[in-house]
Amino acid sequence: SQQGEEDPQALSIQEGENATMNCSYKTSINNLQWYRQNSGRGLVHLILIRSNEREKHSGRLRVTLDTSKKSSSLLITASRAADTASYFCATEPRGAGSYQLTFGKGTKLSVIP
Amino acid sequence: DGGITQSPKYLFRKEGQNVTLSCEQNLNHDAMYWYRQDPGQGLRLIYYSQIVNDFQKGDIAEGYSVSREKKESFPLTVTSAQKNPTAFYLCASSNPGQGTEKLFFGSGTQLSVL
Repeated sequence: SQQGEEDPQALSIQEGENATMNCSYKTSINNLQWYRQNSGRGLVHLILIRSNEREKHSGRLRVTLDTSKKSSSLLITASRAADTASYFCATEPRGAGSYQLTFGKGTKLSVIP
Repeated sequence: DGGITQSPKYLFRKEGQNVTLSCEQNLNHDAMYWYRQDPGQGLRLIYYSQIVNDFQKGDIAEGYSVSREKKESFPLTVTSAQKNPTAFYLCASSNPGQGTEKLFFGSGTQLSVL
């Protein structure tokens, strides 16, 4: 079953703008992860945020987590054409292991040069 | 380079035929996974293995089989019982025992039906 749901399904922005993607989930979690997928390729792990964390940064990426609203957001600042890809959130349910990691359907980001 | 290698990149299956997708990792990871991805969809778990000689069904195991005879290898067989096999198949690995919850993915195999 898919617990995470990304919003929007597709996003098109100009190079240099910021891109924000959201993820909502239904049950309590151990952690939430964001992955990136270039067309026809495998997924690449971007960032992991644990249930007791509220914000995390990695380079141009900023992830927030609101466990009371069961939602997370991924912000990519100063976007580049190379950021064009699909972005997925994945949640690890509380009490489960990474074996139960569930993925959303993704947000397709297009960055126009 | 350390990583996960999936082969072939493209695979075609005829009616009634079984096909096997290869997945090899040299990351020394204990856990390995197979996911199916349909266009515009997220990933769905087919099978996973936490340790050699052990594996568990995921959400959509019907029509698929796996083996885990070596730590490095986790092949997936798509059997003739899988009536809608056309999809992008992704293999992944992780080392949860070392506190590394993130998954490392291969580059995928696109399976199509002739």
